Amino acid sequence: KQEVTQIPAALSVPEGENLVLNCSFTDSAIYNLQWFRQDPGKGLTSLLLIQSSQREQTSGRLNASLDKSSGRSTLYIAASQPGDSATYLCAVRSESGYSTLTFGKGTMLLVSP
Amino acid sequence: DAGITQSPRYKITETGRQVTLMCHQTWSHSYMFWYRQDLGHGLRLIYYSAAADITDKGEVPDGYVVSRSKTENFPLTLESATRSQTSVYFCASSESPITPQHFGDGTRLSIL
Repeated sequence: KQEVTQIPAALSVPEGENLVLNCSFTDSAIYNLQWFRQDPGKGLTSLLLIQSSQREQTSGRLNASLDKSSGRSTLYIAASQPGDSATYLCAVRSESGYSTLTFGKGTMLLVSP
Repeated sequence: DAGITQSPRYKITETGRQVTLMCHQTWSHSYMFWYRQDLGHGLRLIYYSAAADITDKGEVPDGYVVSRSKTENFPLTLESATRSQTSVYFCASSESPITPQHFGDGTRLSIL
């Protein structure tokens, strides 16, 4: 059974810092990996989807990397802003059962001005 | 507006009652999903549907029933609500099984 772990569970940084959020998964046979953002009381917003054949995906100040063989992904946020404060979730689509996602529990990020 | 909407946003009910959570999407996505989100457990899949009249169980299906008679709607029913079903419920949809899932804003359900 696929398990997804996100470290750290919470992170507090001052504005302007570059930061890295980590995601690890136990079964490296994945189809793709998706990073989401969740604001309090809201649903999930898709940030980046990275295919198993890709090493990186970029969107603005966000960069997601994937090392499938080691079961790891990182989300890099450059020049963090208070508006980046949210919970960030990683979800994996395994090759077996590729219709569904397995989620980590998230990293709660607070960026202070 | 195009998107995915859930109703109601908030619901309080009593144990033993039947409650239905609604989900409607305007993209004509084939796939739809129901998740519950609980502290300490994260998001867990309850049921999903690949098309109208095709549904399948997820990780935590017990106590829930789904139907999908139309592509755009995917209601979730708790036939006899229990306190352990107090949670935030999210509906999501995607064009195909491998494309990004898009989420509604959730229904916060409290069972007393």
